[in-house]
Amino acid sequence: DGGITQSPKYLFRKEGQNVTLSCEQNLNHDAMYWYRQDPGQGLRLIYYSQIVNDFQKGDIAEGYSVSREKKESFPLTVTSAQKNPTAFYLCASSINPGQGASIEQYFGPGTRLTVT
Amino acid sequence: AQTVTQSQPEMSVQEAETVTLSCTYDTSESNYYLFWYKQPPSRQMILVIRQEAYKQQNATENRFSVNFQKAAKSFSLKISDSQLGDTAMYFCAGDLETSGSRLTFGEGTQLTVNP
Repeated sequence: DGGITQSPKYLFRKEGQNVTLSCEQNLNHDAMYWYRQDPGQGLRLIYYSQIVNDFQKGDIAEGYSVSREKKESFPLTVTSAQKNPTAFYLCASSINPGQGASIEQYFGPGTRLTVT
Repeated sequence: AQTVTQSQPEMSVQEAETVTLSCTYDTSESNYYLFWYKQPPSRQMILVIRQEAYKQQNATENRFSVNFQKAAKSFSLKISDSQLGDTAMYFCAGDLETSGSRLTFGEGTQLTVNP
């Protein structure tokens, strides 16, 4: 089955530690995205990547970092510089936007990160 | 700047009735795509319906349909014969930028279907 996987579903960390969230897709999509969702709020874009070895900052990139070494994988690192890291994180993917078609995004199940 | 606005934070409807969720957006583009996503309590984001701006015909998917008013930049979602499983947060989103590289999401509308 094609889809997007995120692991783990729940993640707990101590304040001051970096933590990496995994996102893998087997949809053969070129573009991948990371969003943050806080309770009762919409999705805010952290980073996105349209092609391997390239990525762009979204609206709230401070305190986060990403890499895109493989087409299938787009891990997100929440660094100790992120002031309020506790949130629900969603990964998504889509076809290459440059192809002119709709870039509807397909989402993973999300990771709930709690930092204490 | 491209924006998507959902002015109804919460709505409720009785089972089997019809409900309409509102969404407005702003863009300078003439060709773009609009979407409605559903996020049930499981928090999995699910694509409900999409609309291509150059198509005048409103999109329909089973009990879900849209009212797309391009001049007014309005994109509402109508859910007919509401079911308990429709209880979810609904997000309006648009591919509104020239580059087509990202989606802009609204703040969401929490819909509750009551038995």
